[in-house]
Amino acid sequence: NAGVTQTPKFQVLKTGQSMTLQCAQDMNHEYMSWYRQDPGMGLRLIHYSVGAGITDQGEVPNGYNVSRSTTEDFPLRLLSAAPSQTSVYFCASSFALLAGGGADTQYFGPGTRLTVL
Amino acid sequence: GNSVTQMEGPVTLSEEAFLTINCTYTATGYPSLFWYVQYPGEGLQLLLKATKADDKGSNKGFEATYRKETTSFHLEKGSVQVSDSAVYFCALTATNKLIFGAGTRLAVHP
Repeated sequence: NAGVTQTPKFQVLKTGQSMTLQCAQDMNHEYMSWYRQDPGMGLRLIHYSVGAGITDQGEVPNGYNVSRSTTEDFPLRLLSAAPSQTSVYFCASSFALLAGGGADTQYFGPGTRLTVL
Repeated sequence: GNSVTQMEGPVTLSEEAFLTINCTYTATGYPSLFWYVQYPGEGLQLLLKATKADDKGSNKGFEATYRKETTSFHLEKGSVQVSDSAVYFCALTATNKLIFGAGTRLAVHP
């Protein structure tokens, strides 16, 4: 049981380049999400998905796209990288939502450290 | 709106000292509350949680009680170890998402 895996671990991009951060989980979780972590700001939600074929925006979605074609995978695409997207990106997953709509305990991947020059 | 406020760090303690990290929240309804921990170079992992008022979450010697009257969820440990050095995040549930505090770095020295 690998849990939540993310690739790559590190990435350097030039401004304007595009790339996809990969995230996969083998726990059959319905809920998956992407966060970015910046110093002094905690984690901010970028996009999330409550099941295959369903995605929604979080707190900071601009400049990022997601899709959820399978339960296992939830890739994050940077369309045209900007220096402001330099951050550490975490993918997380959890079981079905708690009653009332709140997210259950989330399991985090090890993160991708992205630098945009 | 929903938000979480944590005490600023870093918190620096000697081994076996008592730890308190303050966390207060603003939320509509009745959120669940969480403490996550991030060890150096790793992702976050759940430390403990509480799903309703007056619940106490506990794990690895850490405790936190969901206080609705003071909208708080302070993290405590009676005797910290060097291995507890990490960043601690308080979080609450909002519709379809978790809202995190900014995190508090703890450094424990021998």
